[in-house]
Amino acid sequence: DAGVIQSPRHEVTEMGQEVTLRCKPISGHNSLFWYRQTMMRGLELLIYFNNNVPIDDSGMPEDRFSAKMPNASFSTLKIQPSEPRDSAVYFCASSLSAVLHFGNGTRLTVT
Amino acid sequence: RKEVEQDPGPFNVPEGATVAFNCTYSNSASQSFFWYRQDCRKEPKLLMSVYSSGNEDGRFTAQLNRASQYISLLIRDSKLSDSATYLCVVNIRTIAGNMLTFGGGTRLMVKP
Repeated sequence: DAGVIQSPRHEVTEMGQEVTLRCKPISGHNSLFWYRQTMMRGLELLIYFNNNVPIDDSGMPEDRFSAKMPNASFSTLKIQPSEPRDSAVYFCASSLSAVLHFGNGTRLTVT
Repeated sequence: RKEVEQDPGPFNVPEGATVAFNCTYSNSASQSFFWYRQDCRKEPKLLMSVYSSGNEDGRFTAQLNRASQYISLLIRDSKLSDSATYLCVVNIRTIAGNMLTFGGGTRLMVKP
């Protein structure tokens, strides 16, 4: 039974580069969430989709961040241009109810 | 004031001890509540839901106090393997879907 799949697991990039994080939700789940976690700020909701439609993107830090969900089985979170302060673990989660199932996360380091 | 607040800890307890965490929430429209567990460098995983009448799962007991707007998690006979960060989650169901808000987490360290 495949869970939420995120790629890459680790990403190291230089400031100014574009970063794309990918997520495949659990089949049949209709909601998808992108979170960012840092020691200082904990888990922050960036954006969530319901039936592939973005519902709330108020957590997206700024215009450098964008997220898409072109179909029910795939979502991307893009940062362009990346900055050192974007370094964090980015989690994708999916759900059918109020219970979230998280992927393993992408650990992003921007130097 | 944060929407969901937790004491970050760490709570350092010996094996076998009983430990309790609280989590307060500010939105009285909150409808459902959960505790998640997150191990170091891992993703959060659901520990248990919190029901209005309180519920128990083995050594873990969760309770909800709507009047005072807090939930609690009690761990009895703590084990070394209970060492983790415990996150409370509050949900508000809207027309658009579920709005889930996480607390900052409480770190528990169980010592031999």
